[in-house]
Amino acid sequence: SQELEQSPQSLIVQEGKNLTINCTSSKTLYGLYWYKQKYGEGLIFLMMLQKGGEEKSHEKITAKLDEKKQQSSLHITASQPSHAGIYLCGVRRSNDYKLSFGAGTTVTVRA
Amino acid sequence: GAVVSQHPSRVICKSGTSVKIECRSLDFQATTMFWYRQFPKQSLMLMATSNEGSKATYEQGVEKDKFLINHASLTLSTLTVTSAHPEDSSFYICSARVSGAGNQPQHFGDGTRLSIL
Repeated sequence: SQELEQSPQSLIVQEGKNLTINCTSSKTLYGLYWYKQKYGEGLIFLMMLQKGGEEKSHEKITAKLDEKKQQSSLHITASQPSHAGIYLCGVRRSNDYKLSFGAGTTVTVRA
Repeated sequence: GAVVSQHPSRVICKSGTSVKIECRSLDFQATTMFWYRQFPKQSLMLMATSNEGSKATYEQGVEKDKFLINHASLTLSTLTVTSAHPEDSSFYICSARVSGAGNQPQHFGDGTRLSIL
């Protein structure tokens, strides 16, 4: 979606290092969802953010939504090989529950 | 909980064949399911919204007669690619929402890789 930008497109990190992925929308969101996908497989739900300024954490992954509800960041602390994959942000812009997805960020973790 | 099963995982067939893909919510009821298409190294593109007991809603540019959707029960939606051709080869993935659950995430199946020879 041209209204949704995800960056970087890909990144390579050394095991143990931190990484951050960003998702920016040109319009205010009803909700933002982070998913992880391994190539050729389904999407695994990570976190959902709804309120401006909201922050959620699960294990070593933290996601934040800015006050204006137009930008989110996903941060992984002390990355592990299990964190490798494609991270996708999906946004909901209306009451019909449809999601638009960003282009994805491919994460490679090197031992 | 919230498991979505998609079948088959891979299909290889000749041009002109119609292919049916099933999407089942195993442990919850889903009034609404979604069908996506994903090209290599690209993001998901929403094709249609499948509504239990009513007609599907297709996104702009998606041929409803080409991609037939049936959502006959609260746990099953099917996508039939009619008279498939090589350009229909792609990764198709479905998702489902828990009925009446408000702003809850979509739960995804494992996808179907369709290859038309």
